[in-house]
Amino acid sequence: TQLLEQSPQFLSIQEGENLTVYCNSSSVFSSLQWYRQEPGEGPVLLVTVVTGGEVKKLKRLTFQFGDARKDSSLHITAAQPGDTGLYLCAGASYSNYQLIWGAGTKLIIKP
Amino acid sequence: EPEVTQTPSHQVTQMGQEVILRCVPISNHLYFYWYRQILGQKVEFLVSFYNNEISEKSEIFDDQFSVERPDGSNFTLKIRSTKLEDSAMYFCASSDGQRPQETQYFGPGTRLLVL
Repeated sequence: TQLLEQSPQFLSIQEGENLTVYCNSSSVFSSLQWYRQEPGEGPVLLVTVVTGGEVKKLKRLTFQFGDARKDSSLHITAAQPGDTGLYLCAGASYSNYQLIWGAGTKLIIKP
Repeated sequence: EPEVTQTPSHQVTQMGQEVILRCVPISNHLYFYWYRQILGQKVEFLVSFYNNEISEKSEIFDDQFSVERPDGSNFTLKIRSTKLEDSAMYFCASSDGQRPQETQYFGPGTRLLVL
């Protein structure tokens, strides 16, 4: 059974600080997506990483896919209150189309 | 920007009743999915659908559930004889199915409450 472990589960920091969220597995994924979910809403895609070692940047967010395609990280620089939310990683396997989901990291940025 | 839409946004039903959740995937997408998320828990895969048939389903997707693409735009999830434990957010997603970039786009969800 493929599993994705996200850490930390919960993170509360001050505005302006940097943070990193991790997504780890013992399984290899063909791609990995990061989503952000607001309460009562559907996950909104932030990025898809496909190539081992790939790094993608979206403004202050930096996403990295591990060389072995088993792990990923999300780094936020100079966090802002608007970054508050639930961040989810989801992996796609080679053998099927279903996404395997992490449990999420609940991020709170205090002004 | 194209998006996945779902109706209704909220549904309250009595235990044992049937519900149909509706989704309109992104128009040029070929793969359709249903996921659920019980409050406070992980998103769980239910089923994927391609070429007018189920391509994969999870253990959760038992005989109580069925999916259908009744026309060229809608994709529905039917839950027969709902149970209390079916209460959850149900998300529809779609993708163009192009590997390896398996990017799925999600609708806003239907919150189902079974009483």
